[in-house]
Amino acid sequence: NAGVTQTPKFQVLKTGQSMTLQCAQDMNHEYMSWYRQDPGMGLRLIHYSVGAGITDQGEVPNGYNVSRSTTEDFPLRLLSAAPSQTSVYFCASSYQTIRSGNTIYFGEGSWLTVV
Amino acid sequence: AQSVTQLGSHVSVSEGALVLLRCNYSSSVPPYLFWYVQYPNQGLQLLLKYTSAATLVKGINGFEAEFKKSETSFHLTKPSAHMSDAAEYFCAVAGANSKLTFGKGITLSVRP
Repeated sequence: NAGVTQTPKFQVLKTGQSMTLQCAQDMNHEYMSWYRQDPGMGLRLIHYSVGAGITDQGEVPNGYNVSRSTTEDFPLRLLSAAPSQTSVYFCASSYQTIRSGNTIYFGEGSWLTVV
Repeated sequence: AQSVTQLGSHVSVSEGALVLLRCNYSSSVPPYLFWYVQYPNQGLQLLLKYTSAATLVKGINGFEAEFKKSETSFHLTKPSAHMSDAAEYFCAVAGANSKLTFGKGITLSVRP
């Protein structure tokens, strides 16, 4: 049981490049989400999904795309990287809503620098 | 809508002293509240959570938090700080669909 796996752990991009941050979970969780962490800002929700084929925007969705073609995977795409997207990205998943008492699991983070 | 306020960005205590990290929340639904700890260059680790059962919640590493509805607070405490407690601490409130709203975080330093 690997939990929530994020790749890559570290990445340097040039402005304007595109890339995909991968997130996979092996717990058959319906709910998955992406957060970004910036100094003094805490973690902010980018996009989330409540099941395969269903995604929605969070607090800071601009510049990011997501899709959920399978239950296991929830990739985050940066379409044209900007220095403002330099951040640490966390993927999270839970079986159902954590308001049902389920635990939310976080990946170990992906450190992205855009130069 | 949900929000979390963590006043101040940095708390410094001496080893063995009481740790008190404050968290106030607002929520349009009965709140589910969480405290997470993050060590440098690592991910988030759940310390404890409140899910409408007991108002005093005990977590890992000797931490506990008390839910006070009248004060809309969920402060984190530990009776005696240890050097290994130095980290960043985040309070969070859960909204619908497992969306967490985080506070800005507090960095805890422990002086020998």
